Amino acid sequence: DQQVKQNSPSLSVQEGRISILNCDYTNSMFDYFLWYKKYPAEGPTFLISISSIKDKNEDGRFTVFLNKSAKHLSLHIVPSQPGDSAVYFCAAAQGGSEKLVFGKGTKLTVNP
Amino acid sequence: DAGVIQSPRHEVTEMGQEVTLRCKPISGHNSLFWYRQTMMRGLELLIYFNNNVPIDDSGMPEDRFSAKMPNASFSTLKIQPSEPRDSAVYFCASSLGGPISYGYTFGSGTRLTVV
Repeated sequence: DQQVKQNSPSLSVQEGRISILNCDYTNSMFDYFLWYKKYPAEGPTFLISISSIKDKNEDGRFTVFLNKSAKHLSLHIVPSQPGDSAVYFCAAAQGGSEKLVFGKGTKLTVNP
Repeated sequence: DAGVIQSPRHEVTEMGQEVTLRCKPISGHNSLFWYRQTMMRGLELLIYFNNNVPIDDSGMPEDRFSAKMPNASFSTLKIQPSEPRDSAVYFCASSLGGPISYGYTFGSGTRLTVV
């Protein structure tokens, strides 16, 4: 039973436009959420995070939105750049635990 | 800072053989994690250590898998005997420990193929 779900395996957008990656979770005990980016043949790298006490966190071109009532979060990338092409993983943790539960990832392709 | 170092990068072995994957965490990091990535299951946590002590091994698939952390700078994940279904990318990650605010730092992974 997947506790963190990324229902879109892939997404394609044009350079300069907005990319929106979605993530749903089922465990209401999750209180910290992270996004990772992964290039081929590399390990995932931390991108941005959000605590459940917030509904938005912004870092440059990247913004994460959290809707606790819907158990949904999204990552917005504006403007999208070709270098953003990668697999994006959503992850969640609960109660100060160090264990991260990951979604299966969404492959983003940004076309020049 | 060299990051989390995993070896080997690629491993091809025959079914039934023993496989040992190695990891050197970032110096000063107190927690170490082993993850496995497959198409079917995505990234799943196998085991994690804090201050060299195994904290949660509930993700270890079966007795064929074992992990050790003899000191703060080295960990191994062993599969004996290996099976074709163990083919996956195995990632090691480390963190400072405590709240997960800044996530982990992952290594580049070991791609294991069991034939």
